[in-house]
Amino acid sequence: GAGVSQSPRYKVAKRGQDVALRCDPISGHVSLFWYQQALGQGPEFLTYFQNEAQLDKSGLPSDRFFAERPEGSVSTLKIQRTQQEDSAVYLCASSWEGVSTEAFFGQGTRLTVV
Amino acid sequence: ILNVEQSPQSLHVQEGDSTNFTCSFPSSNFYALHWYRWETAKSPEALFVMTLNGDEKKKGRISATLNTKEGYSYLYIKGSQPEDSATYLCASEYGNKLVFGAGTILRVKS
Repeated sequence: GAGVSQSPRYKVAKRGQDVALRCDPISGHVSLFWYQQALGQGPEFLTYFQNEAQLDKSGLPSDRFFAERPEGSVSTLKIQRTQQEDSAVYLCASSWEGVSTEAFFGQGTRLTVV
Repeated sequence: ILNVEQSPQSLHVQEGDSTNFTCSFPSSNFYALHWYRWETAKSPEALFVMTLNGDEKKKGRISATLNTKEGYSYLYIKGSQPEDSATYLCASEYGNKLVFGAGTILRVKS
């Protein structure tokens, strides 16, 4: 596609609900990243994939957060039993290879937990 | 913990003014510094990736400099236009990830 696509753009979840956020990277991009941006802060790293391999998940804040990229293209970030502190914008980015090449970001999914 | 700081937090300027803002990062283990522009309701857009001490990059009216020894980068906008209104983010590479500052919000009034 023309760019990185994320869906949904907005999601309101009741506390305790599970959510799934989708990222369609640019075709052919090997690397895929997820970031979380809380209000008033910069994006914070969650996890990194190279093709289907999750090479770094050190930024996932708890075991309620899970990400996958089973076929090395589309990725899903799942949050189980959402809490109010999970409210944030979730950004996905992809690049040809690793973090040093230019990363292209999606528009993000704004998650509000009520 | 890698800490990237940006200043000022926000900036309001008049159309035609030139402006600049700062990104500070740890100088040890430096690899690269990225600048992004993020307009409301759009995706963050990469402006520059800078790696060498003394590096200067330019894209239209926007330019950036890098000092890796003292750990700072400046972003300059010459003759600001309303369409420059956005949040400007810098990020330092650290392993597999970018560590971002909180951003500088720029508003240009016509």
